[in-house]
Amino acid sequence: QTVVTQEPSLTVSPGGTVTLTCASSTGAVASDYYPSWFQQKPGQAPRALIYSTSNRHSWTPARFSGSLLGGKAALTVSNVQPEDEADYYCLLFYGGPQVWVFGGGTKLTVL
Amino acid sequence: EVQLVESGGGLVKPGGSLRLSCAASGFTFSSVWMGWVRQAPGQGLEWVGRVKTKPEGAATDYAAPVKGRFTISRDDSKNTIYLQMDSLKTEDTGVYYCTTRLPATASYWGRGTLVTVSS
Repeated sequence: QTVVTQEPSLTVSPGGTVTLTCASSTGAVASDYYPSWFQQKPGQAPRALIYSTSNRHSWTPARFSGSLLGGKAALTVSNVQPEDEADYYCLLFYGGPQVWVFGGGTKLTVL
Repeated sequence: EVQLVESGGGLVKPGGSLRLSCAASGFTFSSVWMGWVRQAPGQGLEWVGRVKTKPEGAATDYAAPVKGRFTISRDDSKNTIYLQMDSLKTEDTGVYYCTTRLPATASYWGRGTLVTVSS
């Protein structure tokens, strides 16, 4: 069974920079996993932030950026704002079985 | 404006069936892959499955926990997709979200519909 792993929680100060990562139990994450990132605030539906590793949606603030880092997918949030406090999920594509798998999520606290 | 509106959630007994619907608007529905994601209470997101377009045979793929029990279909004349859920288990309880591949998997989300499987 494929497992996608994220940090359970991270804390960052307002104005700071934080990097969230997303690892696959099958090995290094590459661009053909089409990594995506989502933000979810309490009581709300998730919102897409990044797709295909590093592409922002039209509504995604420029302070959010995606990349591949050390065999993992990464989401970097620069100049963190209080409203960035939320749960963040990554999503990876597995071409063999043609399925998508979410990571367990990272709870980001802005303090 | 892209809109996705789910309906059909409710309370069902273990072993029972339920059909969810998702009405879409604001984009060319027939050209877009659609999918479902669920979230158990207090838990993370879980990809359920997706359906491709009619020219692609409306092919479907599913996550392992629901394969053989859930069926996704689409009706392009109604701009609607469906999630037929059979042999429901208590662990299927959660909010079910409809999503689009526009331009990528799960770019847009509905508000979700709650399914509760309990005796």
